[in-house]
Amino acid sequence: NAGVMQNPRHLVRRRGQEARLRCSPMKGHSHVYWYRQLPEEGLKFMVYLQKENIIDESGMPKERFSAEFPKEGPSILRIQQVVRGDSAAYFCASSPSLDLLVNTEAFFGQGTRLTVV
Amino acid sequence: AQKITQTQPGMFVQEKEAVTLDCTYDTSDPSYGLFWYKQPSSGEMIFLIYQGSYDQQNATEGRYSLNFQKARKSANLVISASQLGDSAMYFCAMRGPNSGGSNYKLTFGKGTLLTVNP
Repeated sequence: NAGVMQNPRHLVRRRGQEARLRCSPMKGHSHVYWYRQLPEEGLKFMVYLQKENIIDESGMPKERFSAEFPKEGPSILRIQQVVRGDSAAYFCASSPSLDLLVNTEAFFGQGTRLTVV
Repeated sequence: AQKITQTQPGMFVQEKEAVTLDCTYDTSDPSYGLFWYKQPSSGEMIFLIYQGSYDQQNATEGRYSLNFQKARKSANLVISASQLGDSAMYFCAMRGPNSGGSNYKLTFGKGTLLTVNP
């Protein structure tokens, strides 16, 4: 859904560099979710954030990956010291509130395709 | 744990014909939601249709309908009058379990690549 904005659309990093992926949720949405799509796979949940809080990071790799959703500005997914296996499409979704979540669509951004060379 | 199975890696259909994409799911929770998404070659995830586990009727959205068979735990997507632009990957996903405090998580299947032939 065009309302969730992700940038950049494509990102190329050399092994060992840092990757920063940005997600601006739809207006009025205070919940953000990050998913990763490896080649030939469906999306897999990584992390769920509310403003200034990480609610569930059970899908995040233990090392090198971190996420934040500050009071102002977009949510950031940060990957330090990238390796070839991090090459994937990273999608962000947002929702207005948890109470409405079970009855609403989950709107995804267009994704960031990370390529590690 | 939630699980979604899409057994058809690829499907072919002639333009203007109907096609059914299979999806089965596994959950022990009575409350959940089922989604279908379309991913064209450009890569974005496009929401198509949603079915709640307590919904009495099958969901429909234009040419898309969801054949929801709760006892069989299946949620097949039916696309009527296929168009060339329907060629894409299609993903089935489940949200929940709602009672387990994970009602925000989507679990995806591996997808079915649909090719519509002229």
